[in-house]
Amino acid sequence: DSGVTQTPKHLITATGQRVTLRCSPRSGDLSVYWYQQSLDQGLQFLIQYYNGEERAKGNILERFSAQQFPDLHSELNLSSLELGDSALYFCASSASGGLGEKLFFGSGTQLSVL
Amino acid sequence: GENVEQHPSTLSVQEGDSAVIKCTYSDSASNYFPWYKQELGKRPQLIIDIRSNVGEKKDQRIAVTLNKTAKHFSLHITETQPEDSAVYFCAAPSNNDMRFGAGTRLTVKP
Repeated sequence: DSGVTQTPKHLITATGQRVTLRCSPRSGDLSVYWYQQSLDQGLQFLIQYYNGEERAKGNILERFSAQQFPDLHSELNLSSLELGDSALYFCASSASGGLGEKLFFGSGTQLSVL
Repeated sequence: GENVEQHPSTLSVQEGDSAVIKCTYSDSASNYFPWYKQELGKRPQLIIDIRSNVGEKKDQRIAVTLNKTAKHFSLHITETQPEDSAVYFCAAPSNNDMRFGAGTRLTVKP
């Protein structure tokens, strides 16, 4: 168990809908990362937060948004969902988000858009 | 930003043989290089990492080597076992985030 908690584990929804994925980092970690993993694909970096502030942005679509709350949990919001958004979404956390820090991953949320 | 390339994409070895996976990176300022193992349907898990002030690091059957001049690093698994079958990802830091290679699917045949 990495200490990073993601909910829900599975999500099935329809095209055009909006969903929210939730992540709680390891105790003491201030930084949260979101990654998207499509079937048999690598880990695509979406966005990173540190202590409530956005720190880095990757290939995140405009339909997607995220935030980190004062209690340090983070939510990834996906709207106007398309079939191609079906993927495994991972959250990871690190102590302060600095270079050279170990990332610990949650178990992921499997999103299926039908 | 960082660009991480990983080879090969698939690797099949006989149990007991060695496996080598290679990654190259583009940002010469990168100073930390982790390797993650992801079993089917599970989370990526850190198995070994190396920092730029050392050239090699070993942990039992796995080792990582780093060549900063050539900007590449490799994962070596010796005496492979069926439970080593998984997808392996290398990574390197880019600005404030971590960029991953495309992954190598390792199959160890008994």
